[in-house]
Amino acid sequence: QVTLKESGPVLVKPTETLTLTCAVSGLSLTNPNVGVTWIRQPPGKALEWLAHIFSDDERSYSTPLQTRLIISKDTSKSQVVLTLTNVAPVDTATYYCAHIGLNYDSSGNNYYALDVWGQGTTVTVSS
Amino acid sequence: DIQMTQSPSSLSASVGDRVTITCRASQSIRDFLHWYQQKPGKAPRLLIYAASTLQGGVPSRFTGTGSGTDFALTISNLQPEDFATYYCQETYSPFQKTFGQGTKLDIK
Repeated sequence: QVTLKESGPVLVKPTETLTLTCAVSGLSLTNPNVGVTWIRQPPGKALEWLAHIFSDDERSYSTPLQTRLIISKDTSKSQVVLTLTNVAPVDTATYYCAHIGLNYDSSGNNYYALDVWGQGTTVTVSS
Repeated sequence: DIQMTQSPSSLSASVGDRVTITCRASQSIRDFLHWYQQKPGKAPRLLIYAASTLQGGVPSRFTGTGSGTDFALTISNLQPEDFATYYCQETYSPFQKTFGQGTKLDIK
């Protein structure tokens, strides 16, 4: 059974760097085609995709946030880490990590359906 | 960027009703469209992927249709546990994976 669990600071000051960790259990981050993504949700608002990383180290970032985001993985600890620099109050949100399901179309493209989610971690940016 | 327009933003219905939520993409996304259910204070849950494939463990009263730009999620015979917020998400574009704005389904 695959489970994910997010952790990180509850409160961060503006201009600081936010570092979030996603602990993955039930599968290895070294297995082929394993991918983990980060999603966030500001209070009362919709979901926003942030970034992903796959076991082959392929990474992708949301275009509006790409200059502030870094995603990485520590396979020995089975963790995926997301760093967001220069935070502002608009970055206040619940941050989720999720497993990218292994569902493919007839051409072998991953549908990228998020089949297992962590519980989320809530971050407030305030001075 | 691909824009996703989800409607309605809110919907009231009764137990036993049938409801439909729609999602329209600003360009063709083939069948790279998924539906999620989210309850207050909880993480989203995958219901349907690839526009019409039911995720394991999801009741068959949930149905997804569509391809290209127009998609729909239909819930038949609404049950009390179905009252939640629903999101569509496109995963066709490489750098956005845009979610719809959500549809809050509550009890009439």
